[in-house]
Amino acid sequence: QKEVEQNSGPLSVPEGAIASLNCTYSDRGSQSFFWYRQYSGKSPELIMFIYSNGDKEDGRFTAQLNKASQYVSLLIRDSQPSDSATYLCAVNPSNTGNQFYFGTGTSLTVIP
Amino acid sequence: KAGVTQTPRYLIKTRGQQVTLSCSPISGHRSVSWYQQTPGQGLQFLFEYFSETQRNKGNFPGRFSGRQFSNSRSEMNVSTLELGDSALYLCASTELQNTEAFFGQGTRLTVV
Repeated sequence: QKEVEQNSGPLSVPEGAIASLNCTYSDRGSQSFFWYRQYSGKSPELIMFIYSNGDKEDGRFTAQLNKASQYVSLLIRDSQPSDSATYLCAVNPSNTGNQFYFGTGTSLTVIP
Repeated sequence: KAGVTQTPRYLIKTRGQQVTLSCSPISGHRSVSWYQQTPGQGLQFLFEYFSETQRNKGNFPGRFSGRQFSNSRSEMNVSTLELGDSALYLCASTELQNTEAFFGQGTRLTVV
């Protein structure tokens, strides 16, 4: 079973603070890692992807990958109320296609 | 560029019936994956099609099947519907292997 685990939350942070979301995965051979945001009643939308160990920054978002620890995280700086959503960690363990395994998501609320 | 299009958006079916869902991927994307999303289980991978061939398959019963046409459009079929099949069914389109997946708006299936 190729598991992806996230803290379900809910996670609440004040506006302007840093939100930290964490994810662990079980398949050591996993190739690619993704963070999606899902608003209630909507489909997931891609925030970031990361393939290599280390940090990757895109605007207010930073993804961190540590393959040795099988750990992926997402930092959201200067959190805004519009960031309130469920954040899904996805892992593609396949080297023969696109087969994503998702965590159950972390619910984030940014308090104005 | 148009996004991923799923039809219909909503469906209500009776137990024992069958249903067909449709997905048109982003132009140029040849990989189409299907996911089931329920509150209890989160997003679960059903199968992936690439160049009209099923490339990966998740752990779902044989009642769930799919196909892909030469224009990359895909259909998913569920036969002998059960109450537990009520879910949001999401289609994802990917350009290359191990790259990001873009989701359609989903089809909300309710089985009564």
